[in-house]
Amino acid sequence: DTEVTQTPKHLVMGMTNKKSLKCEQHMGHRAMYWYKQKAKKPPELMFVYSYEKLSINESVPSRFSPECPNSSLLNLHLHALQPEDSALYLCASSQASEYQEKLFFGSGTQLSVL
Amino acid sequence: QQQVKQSPQSLIVQKGGISIINCAYENTAFDYFPWYQQFPGKGPALLIAIRPDVSEKKEGRFTISFNKSAKQFSLHIMDSQPGDSATYFCAASQMDSSYKLIFGSGTRLLVRP
Repeated sequence: DTEVTQTPKHLVMGMTNKKSLKCEQHMGHRAMYWYKQKAKKPPELMFVYSYEKLSINESVPSRFSPECPNSSLLNLHLHALQPEDSALYLCASSQASEYQEKLFFGSGTQLSVL
Repeated sequence: QQQVKQSPQSLIVQKGGISIINCAYENTAFDYFPWYQQFPGKGPALLIAIRPDVSEKKEGRFTISFNKSAKQFSLHIMDSQPGDSATYFCAASQMDSSYKLIFGSGTRLLVRP
């Protein structure tokens, strides 16, 4: 199994809503990532979890809250988002985070904030 | 210093032709240069990667050419096919604890039948 599975595929939320994005991998990878991708732009790193501990937060606003319940799961909790947060949110995993030799990306959650 | 500059922004090639995408970097500490391919509605997928100890790497129709002195690398797609139509991102990283893959701005490739 070489897949990173993300749910939901699409999400529309209001600025006062609370929602969560979910990501799962069963490749035994110990590093998991959240990226944000705007249309026609490259992915931007948001968070890195290494061995279930948050190791990198790329100065992401606190309305985005990541969580890694176990080595296979990664969540991104969303609260009080702004319309400019509308984007494709990608989860990725790699064998180890010290050297990102190969990132496996999920298909993403297309988020629209109204 | 941390940027990876990618060109062209978009590229149209006839079926069977050669697609060439170029990237340039400034940080000489970079030591890993992957290319990712992204289809609409999908996440990026690793296509091919190179380290600076070799000048060329070939996998099927895809070749990376690497020029360490010029701090440039390029992706060549031989015999381009309509199924190759996608967005291509070059990237670079260095073997330290930074974890961060620096992406180029992307090239949208369209291969006409």
